[in-house]
Amino acid sequence: DTAVSQTPKYLVTQMGNDKSIKCEQNLGHDTMYWYKQDSKKFLKIMFSYNNKELIINETVPNRFSPKSPDKAHLNLHINSLELGDSAVYFCASSRTGTVINSPLHFGNGTRLTVT
Amino acid sequence: DQQVKQNSPSLSVQEGRISILNCDYTNSMFDYFLWYKKYPAEGPTFLISISSIKDKNEDGRFTVFLNKSAKHLSLHIVPSQPGDSAVYFCAASVNTGNQFYFGTGTSLTVIP
Repeated sequence: DTAVSQTPKYLVTQMGNDKSIKCEQNLGHDTMYWYKQDSKKFLKIMFSYNNKELIINETVPNRFSPKSPDKAHLNLHINSLELGDSAVYFCASSRTGTVINSPLHFGNGTRLTVT
Repeated sequence: DQQVKQNSPSLSVQEGRISILNCDYTNSMFDYFLWYKKYPAEGPTFLISISSIKDKNEDGRFTVFLNKSAKHLSLHIVPSQPGDSAVYFCAASVNTGNQFYFGTGTSLTVIP
């Protein structure tokens, strides 16, 4: 029973390409997130959606576009990939409301390598 | 601007001994703190949390201590087991918000 699943697990692509990463959660959570873990192992939030509405949009190039067709799905589309986009991208979800008793549940990550 | 810092990238401990992982934060508005554990090729999994109204929270072998005046928290694992070998991330949040700030993690190795 995978709670937060993201695909693909590995993604190798060339500069300039457009790619998507999909995420689905079956926990009934209202809020979903995309985090990026860079080469320095720093986990940083990129986006957060609550009930399909964008609520957090950190300073991320607009080549990155999240899409939430419903509250169980949050996909990440990346246009014109650059070398610096190489990282591990984690999808996560949580219950709405205060953070107490609503820890993040993470997927297993998508390792993106741009060559 | 990193608001949550874990200054020790790695730690090695003998099995059965205590592991102490440290975390510092800069934002005095943070009032909820969490520890996550991460195995290779997996996502972080929630381990234990503490609210700023407490200074200690215990769950089995894991205890988190919070020192608000020093803006410091620590995770104690007693006794340490080889299965505890993983990367541990500290995270902080404002309870009324929904954004979590993570440290860069400490890789714990428990030697059998």
